[in-house]
Amino acid sequence: EAGVTQSPTHLIKTRGQQATLRCSPISGHTSVYWYQQALGLGLQFLLWYDEGEERNRGNFPPRFSGRQFPNYSSELNVNALELEDSALYLCASSLPRGEQYFGPGTRLTVT
Amino acid sequence: AQSVTQLGSHVSVSEGALVLLRCNYSSSVPPYLFWYVQYPNQGLQLLLKYTSAATLVKGINGFEAEFKKSETSFHLTKPSAHMSDAAEYFCAAYLLNSGGSNYKLTFGKGTLLTVNP
Repeated sequence: EAGVTQSPTHLIKTRGQQATLRCSPISGHTSVYWYQQALGLGLQFLLWYDEGEERNRGNFPPRFSGRQFPNYSSELNVNALELEDSALYLCASSLPRGEQYFGPGTRLTVT
Repeated sequence: AQSVTQLGSHVSVSEGALVLLRCNYSSSVPPYLFWYVQYPNQGLQLLLKYTSAATLVKGINGFEAEFKKSETSFHLTKPSAHMSDAAEYFCAAYLLNSGGSNYKLTFGKGTLLTVNP
């Protein structure tokens, strides 16, 4: 069974640009979660989508947004990129209140 | 606020020694609990989970964890460390969010395990 997949693996952007990150969950999982892992800051919860709806949001500005498509895949958009947005962005999927399975991550570098 | 605390951001052991990584949670109701491992530049991999069945949970790679309600703890152990165990370990729990409206998987800050030859 295929695990959680994320694309691209690496993304390099310039300050002020927009970044789009994609995630495909494990088949049958309806919940998708996004996390930011910046150096020295640990794992920070960004967004939770379930059945196409945003269920919860972490303490991030509105320029971090996303959506979940009918096939349960998800997209994370980061507008007006800042240098401190450089981080590993992890996507996870789960059944309701089940264990979360993580993808390999997208390394975003903002220069 | 409900939280997950990992004692020790860095633990160093010798190869073959006991590994003990500590995790405590704050919640009035015992939550579902998890341990994850992260190798450099990779995503998190689930090691084991506690979902109110047996209090001693066995996971992959020889790791196990014991849920102790009285101590609100879920410490991770492995009898004999191997060089390949060097990684960062995260404890997590499903806790009510600050609004009390739904559960969110809350992570501890992680413990970096170093294994010395």
